[in-house]
Amino acid sequence: SQQGEEDPQALSIQEGENATMNCSYKTSINNLQWYRQNSGRGLVHLILIRSNEREKHSGRLRVTLDTSKKSSSLLITASRAADTASYFCATDARNNRLAFGKGNQVVVIP
Amino acid sequence: GAVVSQHPSRVICKSGTSVKIECRSLDFQATTMFWYRQFPKQSLMLMATSNEGSKATYEQGVEKDKFLINHASLTLSTLTVTSAHPEDSSFYICSATVGGQTYEQYFGPGTRLTVT
Repeated sequence: SQQGEEDPQALSIQEGENATMNCSYKTSINNLQWYRQNSGRGLVHLILIRSNEREKHSGRLRVTLDTSKKSSSLLITASRAADTASYFCATDARNNRLAFGKGNQVVVIP
Repeated sequence: GAVVSQHPSRVICKSGTSVKIECRSLDFQATTMFWYRQFPKQSLMLMATSNEGSKATYEQGVEKDKFLINHASLTLSTLTVTSAHPEDSSFYICSATVGGQTYEQYFGPGTRLTVT
């Protein structure tokens, strides 16, 4: 089974709105990370949340982690057109390898 | 800091030829580099873990003889796709870490390989 499995959804929102996406995983983790990928480009690390943390903020990003439900959410507040990208969560459960989820495509309409 | 580059960014090759992709850590020494491939609109799939000075560790289902990985220095790892076929067409991304800690992975911009 795949770790870091997001709900496979595509979001289309207006600029200024908030975007929320979710990620679920199946085994215990040490930490969970969120990455952004612009079309045809590499990944940009957004935020890391450790297994003993429940919430973390970084600028307009808010990440929550619920280890009892094995799930995480990423909230982007006051979205901008530049936030248009795919967002992946990744967990580090197996042999220190990162396992990436399917990704969420977010389109922010100006 | 923590910049990783890949070269080339795009490559088109004919079936049966080999293609080499370079991954470089520009401002830090990377003891471990990871190679991923990504199909359109899909997630990243880890192919192998490359440690400087030792043989790469391949994930299950990844052919060692087809995807040759060399990590000859602390700033350079190469992935060679041998006898390429159209099904090898994909986006290949590398990442690099210091000390092998996954939470410090820095990703390259990716290489788009098209095999005709």
